[in-house]
Amino acid sequence: EVQLLESGGGLVQPGGSLRLSCAASGFTFSNYAMSWVRQVPGKGLECVSAISGSGGYTYYADSVKGRSTISGDTSKNTLYLQMNSLRAEDTAVYYCAKGKYQLLRSAVDYWGQGTLVTVSS
Amino acid sequence: DIQMTQSPSTLSASVGDRVTITCRASQSISSWLAWYQQKPGKAPKLLIYKASNLESGVPSRFSGSGSGTEFTLTISSLQPDDFATYYCQQYNSYWTFGQGTKVEIK
Repeated sequence: EVQLLESGGGLVQPGGSLRLSCAASGFTFSNYAMSWVRQVPGKGLECVSAISGSGGYTYYADSVKGRSTISGDTSKNTLYLQMNSLRAEDTAVYYCAKGKYQLLRSAVDYWGQGTLVTVSS
Repeated sequence: DIQMTQSPSTLSASVGDRVTITCRASQSISSWLAWYQQKPGKAPKLLIYKASNLESGVPSRFSGSGSGTEFTLTISSLQPDDFATYYCQQYNSYWTFGQGTKVEIK
């Protein structure tokens, strides 16, 4: 059974940093694209970052480009999102998401339960 | 970036109704389109991928069609469990979601 378990969310001050983690199980981590999708409560979905199964291709939305780094540790089956210089507009639920295939050209077939990031002083 | 526009934003319908949601892409995305259902407080759930392929375990009353820039999600006979928000997503060029369509009880 595929499971994605996010952690690392919480309250952080503007300008601060946070590292989100997603522990994956039930599949071979390196065979699938993975991403972080966020959702402001009551609003729509935004893919902020994605990485191909091989790790060779990455994507960052303009809203986080230069402030965030996505990475994966295949030995731990864990996906990370390091976020720096956080802003109030980064406040959202962050979902870890698994692609159906290895390439970024892939729909999402599994989602984590989400972790809330709140940026506020 | 490719923009995705869904219509309508809200749809009021009754159990048993046939429901259609439209999604338009700002440029051609071939068939690289998915549809998701989301209920309050829950993660989205994949319904349709590659425009018309039904994800395993999804009821057959859901169907998708289209290619290029125009796509539709159809629910053939709306069930009580189907009242939710639906999102389209293009994955031709990275990933972009539509703004969502809320299907509410009439």
